[in-house]
Amino acid sequence: DAGVIQSPRHEVTEMGQEVTLRCKPISGHNSLFWYRQTMMRGLELLIYFNNNVPIDDSGMPEDRFSAKMPNASFSTLKIQPSEPRDSAVYFCASSFGKGRGYEQYFGPGTRLTVT
Amino acid sequence: ILNVEQSPQSLHVQEGDSTNFTCSFPSSNFYALHWYRWETAKSPEALFVMTLNGDEKKKGRISATLNTKEGYSYLYIKGSQPEDSATYLCAFRDDYKLSFGAGTTVTVRA
Repeated sequence: DAGVIQSPRHEVTEMGQEVTLRCKPISGHNSLFWYRQTMMRGLELLIYFNNNVPIDDSGMPEDRFSAKMPNASFSTLKIQPSEPRDSAVYFCASSFGKGRGYEQYFGPGTRLTVT
Repeated sequence: ILNVEQSPQSLHVQEGDSTNFTCSFPSSNFYALHWYRWETAKSPEALFVMTLNGDEKKKGRISATLNTKEGYSYLYIKGSQPEDSATYLCAFRDDYKLSFGAGTTVTVRA
């Protein structure tokens, strides 16, 4: 079981540049989540997809952030243009099922630094 | 923003000692309570999902209890080992959304 795969693991970019983070969920999982982890706010949900459809994007900070899930095995989170305050660790998680007892499995995260 | 609180923020334990810490969460609209173990530079590792009041879960030396009526969960580590050093996160789930606490960082001294 490969787990949730994220790339790149580290990204350093200059302010104003476009950044694209990638996620491959666990095969067979039908829900995908993007989280951001910062010292100030901890782990917070950015967006939730179910069966490739965005269900809740209320956590997306602003219009500079966008996420897509073109198929069940791939999702992207894009920041354009990036700003220093976007520096954080971005996690992708996936799960299967919708009952009470399902687990969310996290990827290794992408550490983004915007200078 | 849901108020999920963990205490203490950090603790130091001597190897072989047992310890426990708390997660408190809203008692309304409860779906599940998740516990994760998180080591630096790694992904959060799922420990438990707890859904029913009175639930008790165990994995090796780590166990957890749940009280949904009063809105708290305890995580216990029995006979702490250096490899137990990590940050332990709890997360309250209402439907699909996880709201995380800030974590309790456990350091086990040899």
